[in-house]
Amino acid sequence: SQKIEQNSEALNIQEGKTATLTCNYTNYSPAYLQWYRQDPGRGPVFLLLIRENEKEKRKERLKVTFDTTLKQSLFHITASQPADSATYLCALSSGGSYIPTFGRGTSLIVHP
Amino acid sequence: DAGVIQSPRHEVTEMGQEVTLRCKPISGHDYLFWYRQTMMRGLELLIYFNNNVPIDDSGMPEDRFSAKMPNASFSTLKIQPSEPRDSAVYFCASSTPPGGWGNTIYFGEGSWLTVV
Repeated sequence: SQKIEQNSEALNIQEGKTATLTCNYTNYSPAYLQWYRQDPGRGPVFLLLIRENEKEKRKERLKVTFDTTLKQSLFHITASQPADSATYLCALSSGGSYIPTFGRGTSLIVHP
Repeated sequence: DAGVIQSPRHEVTEMGQEVTLRCKPISGHDYLFWYRQTMMRGLELLIYFNNNVPIDDSGMPEDRFSAKMPNASFSTLKIQPSEPRDSAVYFCASSTPPGGWGNTIYFGEGSWLTVV
C-alpha cells in the first residue's frame, strides 16, 4: 500500500542551525511533492512545491530536495529561528488526480 | 482575500446529535476539500468537489457522514448521528485547477469537534 513517512519524533535544534526534515514514501509515483507548515490550532499553510523532474527548489531560507530514486524529500530551514517552530507536513500528488495525500508531519522546535 | 472560512470554530455536542460544519471557499477556487485530522491518523481526505460536484467520497468513513456543495461559495459537512470517535479537527480547503503546478491547497482554520 502507499505510504508516506515522516519522523514522528520532534526535532529539537538550536537557533541559527540548519533544520533538516525528511519525507520518505513507498509505492508512489508522485508528480509533485509539497511542504506545508502547521501551527498549533491553525490550518496547514503551503510553503513549497517541487515537481518530479526538479532536484531542488529554494525560497528564502527554505530548500527542498526531491530524489525519486531514493523516494525521499528533504526540507531544510537555514539559520533557523524560534519562530520556525511548528509541525511540517509533506504531501504527495500522483499524476492524474493531482490531489495531495499528506504525511503525518514532524514537529520542529527551535531553541533560543 | 479572506481565505477559507469555516464555522463553527469549536463545537461540543452530545453523542447522537447532528453536527453541521460549514465552509466558504476562496472566491474563484473550483476545488473544495474536506479533511479530518486526528493524532492517530493524521490528515485524511474525506471528500472533494470540483465545480460543486462531488468527485471522490471514498474517504468518508460511513453513512453517518454526508457533504454537500449547493453553490460555488458554500459547502457543508454533516454528521448524523455523531459519535465520540468523530471527535477531531475538520478542515475545509480549496484550490484552483491543478494546471501545470499541482494542487496547492489553501486550508481554513478548522472546526474543532468534540462529541461527548
